[in-house]
Amino acid sequence: AQSVTQLDSQVPVFEEAPVELRCNYSSSVSVYLFWYVQYPNQGLQLLLKYLSGSTLVKGINGFEAEFNKSQTSFHLRKPSVHISDTAEYFCAVTNNQGGKLIFGQGTELSVKP
Amino acid sequence: GAGVSQTPSNKVTEKGKYVELRCDPISGHTALYWYRQSLGQGPEFLIYFQGTGAADDSGLPNDRFFAVRPEGSVSTLKIQRTERGDSAVYLCASSAGFADTQYFGPGTRLTVL
Repeated sequence: AQSVTQLDSQVPVFEEAPVELRCNYSSSVSVYLFWYVQYPNQGLQLLLKYLSGSTLVKGINGFEAEFNKSQTSFHLRKPSVHISDTAEYFCAVTNNQGGKLIFGQGTELSVKP
Repeated sequence: GAGVSQTPSNKVTEKGKYVELRCDPISGHTALYWYRQSLGQGPEFLIYFQGTGAADDSGLPNDRFFAVRPEGSVSTLKIQRTERGDSAVYLCASSAGFADTQYFGPGTRLTVL
């Protein structure tokens, strides 16, 4: 069975500082990996995804993530955050045998001035 | 173009009542997913349709939950004999096909009193 662990439930950070949101997964088969963002009172929006190819994936709003197969990780990074990045971030995994997404518990990113 | 829409946005019902939640996917998307998100948790998979048929309903918690997609477009999630534990945000997503990006609707917040 697949599972996703987001190691930090809350990450407070000051504006313009770098941030890393950690995600580890477990799966016995090949996986596709995703990061979604949920702004307050809004629906889930895709930030970026890894399907195959280059392990460094760039997404919207200056975010990027690196797929590390040996460490079964897919950490999300941004070199300089803005107040507007305050939101809940979800890591998710699916395999090539089915479409359902398995989500982590979420990380609340709080950017302070 | 129009995204995934869900109605109603909010639904308050009493314990024991029957409810229906509707999802309108992006036009042309063949895959449709239902998830449930409890407070402070990541979305949890319920059921996945490919066309009119349920390809994977392994996430439905019990036989009080049922979903249909009779014409391969709009889907309805039906919950019988609602319980307070059913209170959550019910999310719908659609994708162009298997393993393609899932686009989420804004959700229906269900409150069972």
